[in-house]
Amino acid sequence: GAVVSQHPSRVICKSGTSVKIECRSLDFQATTMFWYRQFPKQSLMLMATSNEGSKATYEQGVEKDKFLINHASLTLSTLTVTSAHPEDSSFYICSASPSASGRRNEQFFGPGTRLTVL
Amino acid sequence: QQPVQSPQAVILREGEDAVINCSSSKALYSVHWYRQKHGEAPVFLMILLKGGEQKGHEKISASFNEKKQQSSLYLTASQLSYSGTYFCGTASNSGYALNFGKGTSLLVTP
Repeated sequence: GAVVSQHPSRVICKSGTSVKIECRSLDFQATTMFWYRQFPKQSLMLMATSNEGSKATYEQGVEKDKFLINHASLTLSTLTVTSAHPEDSSFYICSASPSASGRRNEQFFGPGTRLTVL
Repeated sequence: QQPVQSPQAVILREGEDAVINCSSSKALYSVHWYRQKHGEAPVFLMILLKGGEQKGHEKISASFNEKKQQSSLYLTASQLSYSGTYFCGTASNSGYALNFGKGTSLLVTP
């Protein structure tokens, strides 16, 4: 159990286009999902915390108008990179925290989405 | 705040042991350990909650000293498959997002 999927796994797009990344918890409900970004040879950096049914909380320095997050259900959160530029190229990883009491400390990561902006 | 991991990198021969440390300047509720191989997402190893517990998973175990705000990951009798980058993620409260250290690169050679 506790499987998180991401789609797509890899995307290449032209500068100026928008890209949507989906994060799904397949076998559990997740009130909270987190979006991280990882540049080559660096650590994972939290971008935003996504709560079902409410607005996402963004970390300092992350533009909320550029990285749109929608957490419409207990099993799906989406991240849309709007007007992508080459500097947005990165590995985007989501994690989901189970809603069930006693498991909220846990976080399970998706396989990641590698975005390349040309 | 980002926890500090040490060492930055370590090379082992198969069968040797290693310890990876993670320390924080803030009070911690939990410490999470992950291993990441190149081009892949992090894989969960274990979580430790405040209370000074120690956990084990086959030949990989970890301890968490809440008072010192430190955690250590112990790899015994290392295997080739242990190679990768190890990250500790810390949370200051239950259900909070994780702050990850910069990672420790581990290479196990034959």
